[in-house]
Amino acid sequence: QKEVEQNSGPLSVPEGAIASLNCTYSDRGSQSFFWYRQYSGKSPELIMSIYSNGDKEDGRFTAQLNKASQYVSLLIRDSQPSDSATYLCAVTGTASKLTFGTGTRLQVTL
Amino acid sequence: EAQVTQNPRYLITVTGKKLTVTCSQNMNHEYMSWYRQDPGLGLRQIYYSMNVEVTDKGDVPEGYKVSRKEKRNFPLILESPSPNQTSLYFCASSIRREGGEQFFGPGTRLTVL
Repeated sequence: QKEVEQNSGPLSVPEGAIASLNCTYSDRGSQSFFWYRQYSGKSPELIMSIYSNGDKEDGRFTAQLNKASQYVSLLIRDSQPSDSATYLCAVTGTASKLTFGTGTRLQVTL
Repeated sequence: EAQVTQNPRYLITVTGKKLTVTCSQNMNHEYMSWYRQDPGLGLRQIYYSMNVEVTDKGDVPEGYKVSRKEKRNFPLILESPSPNQTSLYFCASSIRREGGEQFFGPGTRLTVL
């Protein structure tokens, strides 16, 4: 079992819709959770961090964490073509090691 | 401007010719790390450093060396590159000791022939 799992996609959503990206992790002791966005040919960029159960909102982005289910998600409201990118989930486990998922490619269509 | 810089950005070399990829950050971050990114495998950590003179292996350290003599610099050394080290390499730094919120450099695309 991979430590951090994401569906590779592509996830295709129409402009203006809500995009929902999901991530599961295997280390039950994980404490810190992150979402990075990576445009093609560019470096990853941190967009959200979440440390406790529940929702955290920042503009059009909402991160959701459920430690009991070992599940973290990212919602993007009012999706724009500029949101088309690969979204990487990253988790800091009990050994304080940051592990990345392989990413979900999001396509926002006009 | 706060940033992580890497050089070179692109490099084509031949098997066995030693090379160094430099990484520098101007944010006074304690934590620095090197990753390689390959299609289908995602970002894999090569080495990381939580402080000057402190380095640790990541998931794929074989064939690589690092050093951390100064806080701002964290070079990646390939003593004898092989074709399976052809990849996209990223350096990153973080103010957090466990390296959670990382700033990434622009990447170095390495091809080993």
